[in-house]
Amino acid sequence: KAGVTQTPRYLIKTRGQQVTLSCSPISGHRSVSWYQQTPGQGLQFLFEYFSETQRNKGNFPGRFSGRQFSNSRSEMNVSTLELGDSALYLCASSLYGRGFETQYFGPGTRLLVL
Amino acid sequence: GENVEQHPSTLSVQEGDSAVIKCTYSDSASNYFPWYKQELGKRPQLIIDIRSNVGEKKDQRIAVTLNKTAKHFSLHITETQPEDSAVYFCAASIREVGRSQGNLIFGKGTKLSVKP
Repeated sequence: KAGVTQTPRYLIKTRGQQVTLSCSPISGHRSVSWYQQTPGQGLQFLFEYFSETQRNKGNFPGRFSGRQFSNSRSEMNVSTLELGDSALYLCASSLYGRGFETQYFGPGTRLLVL
Repeated sequence: GENVEQHPSTLSVQEGDSAVIKCTYSDSASNYFPWYKQELGKRPQLIIDIRSNVGEKKDQRIAVTLNKTAKHFSLHITETQPEDSAVYFCAASIREVGRSQGNLIFGKGTKLSVKP
C-alpha cells in the first residue's frame, strides 16, 4: 500500500496570506490527524478528522482550520499567516482512530512565512 | 491536560553502547505510549509502543519500560549503531477501544548521535 502523502512538500508565503495543505491517507484509513512541528515547540496536535467530522481539536487559534472529504483526504487551511506559522506540518492516518491503532505519518509540508 | 516531558534533549553515545531516553507524563488516565524515530528530513516512524497494562516490551535491540505509579516510561536501545542516530519522540494519549483516539501528546524530542 502507498503511504501517507502530502502536497505540496514546500511552500513559501508572506504574512497575511492564506495557505491550504493537502493530505492523502493510506488507502482504507479513515482517521486523519494534523500536527505542527517546530524546533521550539516540538510536535503539537492541531485536529483530527474522521468521516468528514472533526473529532478532536488542539489548542490553536481559529486561523487554523481543516476539513475531510468523503474519500478521507484531508486539507488544512491557515488564514492570515504569521511569521510564527513557519513550521513543518505533518498529517498522520490510522484506520479508525480508535483503540491502540498506529498513526502513520506523511512526509510533511514545510511552510515558510516571510 | 496531558503534559509530557522528555530527557535528555541531546544524547551522544559510542557505537555499541546503550542509550536510554526518559519521559514523564502528567495525566494518570493516559494508557498508550508510543515512541517515534525521525531521521533528518524524514517523517516520524513508530518504533515501539506500550500500553498501560504492560510493564515492559522488547523488540530486538529496542525496549520500552513503563512505571505507572511514577508516571514515567523509558526507551532503551542496546548495541547502538550509527543508523540509530535520529531524533526520538515519546508520546502519551488516552486510548479506549470503541472510542475516538484522542490526541497524541509528544515530548520535545531527544537527538541521539551514535559515534562510530
